[in-house]
Amino acid sequence: DAGVIQSPRHEVTEMGQEVTLRCKPISGHNSLFWYRQTMMRGLELLIYFNNNVPIDDSGMPEDRFSAKMPNASFSTLKIQPSEPRDSAVYFCASSYSGAGDTQYFGPGTRLTVL
Amino acid sequence: LAKTTQPISMDSYEGQEVNITCSHNNIATNDYITWYQQFPSQGPRFIIQGYKTKVTNEVASLFIPADRKSSTLSLPRVSLSDTAVYYCLVGDRGNNDMRFGAGTRLTVKP
Repeated sequence: DAGVIQSPRHEVTEMGQEVTLRCKPISGHNSLFWYRQTMMRGLELLIYFNNNVPIDDSGMPEDRFSAKMPNASFSTLKIQPSEPRDSAVYFCASSYSGAGDTQYFGPGTRLTVL
Repeated sequence: LAKTTQPISMDSYEGQEVNITCSHNNIATNDYITWYQQFPSQGPRFIIQGYKTKVTNEVASLFIPADRKSSTLSLPRVSLSDTAVYYCLVGDRGNNDMRFGAGTRLTVKP
């Protein structure tokens, strides 16, 4: 298995632009997680899906952030409009079942908003 | 939610054994203890998971005392490549509320 796949690996955009991050979880995994990591705030859980259904989105910072999982093999995290404070590394992870199960992380997307 | 407390940072030298302790005083009966390792510019990677006593794999050992209020990750004979941040998480297999804390930044020196 190729592991969790994320794209793009790097994204540089200007304030106000829409940004879409993509994730393909490991085949057979039922849970998918989106994290954001910054030096100041560490690794934060943004949203968690189980069987394509959002279970916990309490970590989504505000309405500018939205996440979808239209099927078991694809998820997107969208920021619209983007702001400089959104600059961070965004990780997608998947597990067979739930947050307590072993989570496998993707390589991350480094987002820079100018 | 079982909160965890770890040292912010630790230093060691190549070839030494490193022990990182995590406190989780309000661990629940069904909770497991899981450790992850994160290298710079990479996502966290699962190291080891345990429930009680001792678990060992090819990378590390995990020691959990009888009261389970703490756990110790043991890395035998560390090398420079073990320099990373190590996270301790506590929760049951179906727990949707597990969170990564600040972790312990381990620096291995030559």
